[in-house]
Amino acid sequence: AAGVIQSPRHLIKEKRETATLKCYPIPRHDTVYWYQQGPGQDPQFLISFYEKMQSDKGSIPDRFSAQQFSDYHSELNMSSLELGDSALYFCASSLGQRNQPQHFGDGTRLSIL
Amino acid sequence: GQQLNQSPQSMFIQEGEDVSMNCTSSSIFNTWLWYKQDPGEGPVLLIALYKAGELTSNGRLTAQFGITRKDSFLNISASIPSDVGIYFCAGPVVSGTYKYIFGTGTRLKVLA
Repeated sequence: AAGVIQSPRHLIKEKRETATLKCYPIPRHDTVYWYQQGPGQDPQFLISFYEKMQSDKGSIPDRFSAQQFSDYHSELNMSSLELGDSALYFCASSLGQRNQPQHFGDGTRLSIL
Repeated sequence: GQQLNQSPQSMFIQEGEDVSMNCTSSSIFNTWLWYKQDPGEGPVLLIALYKAGELTSNGRLTAQFGITRKDSFLNISASIPSDVGIYFCAGPVVSGTYKYIFGTGTRLKVLA
């Protein structure tokens, strides 16, 4: 079965640069979520979208923004990157009904030099 | 802020042993999800629970939604080496929202 696709898998940037992470949800899933996971940490919720509208917001820095497009894929845009932004970034998707389980992609490993 | 505490934090077990871990919250949850994460990969959904008292199985895994709705348990029977990984519980911060919180994780190591 098709899973959540994230790209790129690995990304290396320098401080103050920008980065864009992409997420393609499971077909027919209309809700996407973004998480940040630091080394040895649990995933921290950043933001979610349902039917192309922002639905919930977590601990997402102001330097980050995200959107969901008409084909339901989502992009996380990160600007003025800092060393502390180095982490695994996961996207998950679910059907629109609330409390439906989220299915995760394999993540993008972002390293800031 | 709201937290999901998992215990134990880590455990070493012998292959073939049964494993139990739990997840507790300071507030009531209406959904409990259990995930397993291997290094460098995304969490994989194991079991989803939606009703207090519900007991659900997935192969050698069994999970229960605690009666108080503030806890959940995951049991693994006859562990095998590929059970190694980090197990997370998760649930919606507020029922009906899309904002999920993850537990602190239980790191499982299986000795062959």
